[in-house]
Amino acid sequence: GAVVSQHPSWVICKSGTSVKIECRSLDFQATTMFWYRQFPKQSLMLMATSNEGSKATYEQGVEKDKFLINHASLTLSTLTVTSAHPEDSSFYICSARDPGGAETQYFGPGTRLLVL
Amino acid sequence: QKEVEQDPGPLSVPEGAIVSLNCTYSNSAFQYFMWYRQYSRKGPELLMYTYSSGNKEDGRFTAQVDKSSKYISLFIRDSQPSDSATYLCATNSGGYQKVTFGTGTKLQVIP
Repeated sequence: GAVVSQHPSWVICKSGTSVKIECRSLDFQATTMFWYRQFPKQSLMLMATSNEGSKATYEQGVEKDKFLINHASLTLSTLTVTSAHPEDSSFYICSARDPGGAETQYFGPGTRLLVL
Repeated sequence: QKEVEQDPGPLSVPEGAIVSLNCTYSNSAFQYFMWYRQYSRKGPELLMYTYSSGNKEDGRFTAQVDKSSKYISLFIRDSQPSDSATYLCATNSGGYQKVTFGTGTKLQVIP
């Protein structure tokens, strides 16, 4: 299967700072990537769809000015949590659409964010 | 009503048992069905991917879809402690529409 990486795997920051998370497709080009958020013992919540070369599409209730997404190349999408607060602490996971055209996604290993 | 319903468990079974994990869904437009395995503090890993009704087997894993009853299942034969994880069902209607995930079932295989 296709390989997706994320960096960093975990980050601790102070309230009010901004945090950038990178998502890379390692062995394929991904025109579309997805950003999810997962709280403990809960399922994945889609935050936004990231399209290479265009603006991201955000799900209802997700603040686009809070969660900045940049998909500047076919292998890299970034999520920046701006002015992070403790309630932003969560597990953030990215995924990329299957490069072979199947209706499925391959996920990165996730980034655990803790805002103090 | 959630579009995809899944019993959160936890489900505990002895090693070697046959495990049955299930989901129901409400949208008859769903055509593509997936099962993901997620270990603690890791991203989901694609296990099975099927289209429409029928069965698909891959090693110890069998995915089953019954579109008439909107019911999807994952069977694990000869379960191993390494199978202990949360299993997420997922589905979409095709056309690269959003994938809808179940809440996941936590499985524990006891040695």
